[in-house]
Amino acid sequence: DGGITQSPKYLFRKEGQNVTLSCEQNLNHDAMYWYRQDPGQGLRLIYYSQIVNDFQKGDIAEGYSVSREKKESFPLTVTSAQKNPTAFYLCASSPGQGGRQFFGPGTRLTVL
Amino acid sequence: SQKIEQNSEALNIQEGKTATLTCNYTNYSPAYLQWYRQDPGRGPVFLLLIRENEKEKRKERLKVTFDTTLKQSLFHITASQPADSATYLCALDGGSQGNLIFGKGTKLSVKP
Repeated sequence: DGGITQSPKYLFRKEGQNVTLSCEQNLNHDAMYWYRQDPGQGLRLIYYSQIVNDFQKGDIAEGYSVSREKKESFPLTVTSAQKNPTAFYLCASSPGQGGRQFFGPGTRLTVL
Repeated sequence: SQKIEQNSEALNIQEGKTATLTCNYTNYSPAYLQWYRQDPGRGPVFLLLIRENEKEKRKERLKVTFDTTLKQSLFHITASQPADSATYLCALDGGSQGNLIFGKGTKLSVKP
């Protein structure tokens, strides 16, 4: 069954701690994306990767980091430098540049 | 910079009626526009993609129009059902980088 998985679904962390969100896809897609969604807001792009070992900053990259060592995996680290990390994080993939995106179920991060 | 607006934050209609959602954009001429459905606490799901040279596209009870002169897309759900209740997001292509720019969404509620 092909798709995108994100884990965990809910994540709680103390302020000042780094946390890594997992995103895995078995769709053989080249491009992967991380978005942040806040209540009443649209999706805002954090980072994206169009190919393994390469990634670019999106609109709100400050306080976040990513890696793309494997085609299937695109983990996102929320660092202590991110001033307001509590949000719903969505990972997506697409076969190439442009076109429809396939989204994971999301991870809701709460920083206490 | 590109700007995308979905005119209504919320739309309430009666079952059986046609729901019409609006997406407007400025400062840009996108090659295509997409519509997604998002249920609470879940990732968006792709519905339709319409290209700049297409005036209209249909899929079952869904219809999308794309007016590049008005810089507007209309999304219609005919014979609406309570199960259609969700937030609907429009997204423009982000240019050469292959990203999407999302609107804030319109929350549709279909009352029985």
